[in-house]
Amino acid sequence: EPEVTQTPSHQVTQMGQEVILRCVPISNHLYFYWYRQILGQKVEFLVSFYNNEISEKSEIFDDQFSVERPDGSNFTLKIRSTKLEDSAMYFCASSADRDSYGYTFGSGTRLTVV
Amino acid sequence: GEDVEQSLFLSVREGDSSVINCTYTDSSSTYLYWYKQEPGAGLQLLTYIFSNMDMKQDQRLTVLLNKKDKHLSLRIADTQTGDSAIYFCAESSGYSSASKIIFGSGTRLSIRP
Repeated sequence: EPEVTQTPSHQVTQMGQEVILRCVPISNHLYFYWYRQILGQKVEFLVSFYNNEISEKSEIFDDQFSVERPDGSNFTLKIRSTKLEDSAMYFCASSADRDSYGYTFGSGTRLTVV
Repeated sequence: GEDVEQSLFLSVREGDSSVINCTYTDSSSTYLYWYKQEPGAGLQLLTYIFSNMDMKQDQRLTVLLNKKDKHLSLRIADTQTGDSAIYFCAESSGYSSASKIIFGSGTRLSIRP
């Protein structure tokens, strides 16, 4: 069964450093998403991406965050200057089209900011 | 704003039915979902229901929706040890199923022998 692949599975970074989380969505999917889950809290929507632009973003997704689809296969989330409160599990997801019910999620990248 | 609430823990005996409950606040919800998360894994879509449906059955899974009370439940028949996981209730109110999803906190289901 096709999968959404996220790398790395765990990343440790120092506060203030830039970090890029990588995702390879399912190849024929058109919609891409990032969600995050801070330990002990709910899974929160960050951003959705379609046709090479952001479709929707949450209040969390401020100027420190950016997304990019640099080639036909990768979808990245960049955090420009990490803060301690950015420590969370980040999930990438993709869906085929507007009529696909629910998304396919990756296994997540655990980001630890120290 | 939109919110989804569910109890944090549920313990059932192997072979019994599990019922996980959820309430949501957004009256314009169009899609409601149940996701499963096993340790170290991502969020796996288990099933979904449209807001104009009352019930959906899929093998051992039964979803009931009470739109008036904004209450969603997931029943797992003949619960097995492999059903141990965190179950997330979620809703989407967008015009398409590609819209953002609002998740509950997840219910950790544990199975007693």
